[in-house]
Amino acid sequence: QVQLVESGGGVVQPGRSLRLSCAASQFTFSSYAMHWVRQAPDKGLEWVAVIWYDGGKKFYADSVKGRFTISRDNSKNTLYLQMNTLRGDDTAVYFCARGGVWGSYRSPDYWGQGTQVTVSS
Amino acid sequence: QTVVTQEPSLSVSPGGTVTLTCGLTSRSVSTTHYPSWYQQTPGQPPRTLIYDTNTRSSGVPDRFSGSILGSKAALTITGAQADDESDYYCVFYMNNGLWLFGGGTKLTVL
Repeated sequence: QVQLVESGGGVVQPGRSLRLSCAASQFTFSSYAMHWVRQAPDKGLEWVAVIWYDGGKKFYADSVKGRFTISRDNSKNTLYLQMNTLRGDDTAVYFCARGGVWGSYRSPDYWGQGTQVTVSS
Repeated sequence: QTVVTQEPSLSVSPGGTVTLTCGLTSRSVSTTHYPSWYQQTPGQPPRTLIYDTNTRSSGVPDRFSGSILGSKAALTITGAQADDESDYYCVFYMNNGLWLFGGGTKLTVL
């Protein structure tokens, strides 16, 4: 069964940085695009970023563009999200999710349990 | 700025049928938007119900079905059960490298 396990969340002051990780297993990680999706308290899901299976393409929501960087290490089956200049409205549960295979545009299918990020002074 | 529209709330009687819809403010939905549907209960990650418009995810009962109805994507639940009471989200690929979620529909079974 596909497994995705996020880590790296916590409480951070506004303006500081945090890096999230997502460890993937039970599928061929290097063949799939990967997404980050977040959910603020009592709010809906918000798509954050995607990285293509080979890291060749990366796209970001306008709300995080220029502050967040998505990356992956296919040799370690791990997805990352580097979050800089954090703001209060970045407070959310961050989910990693598997995307399409070999460049397909399939929307996320398998999801991790999420990691909480709280931005507060 | 394109927005994905969903009914904020819907209700259905046990055993009844309900259709949730997901539209775009700027254009009609098509299969090239790769619509997917997710079910979420409080404190849990989303559960994928439908992907690629109408393909059920593994383990999802066949009373959940996806389609394009007119200009919108639709999720139909036939024979609603009490544990279908959840939040439901749709997502579209926006043909520019970006994905966009709807605001969610809170479904009540009563």
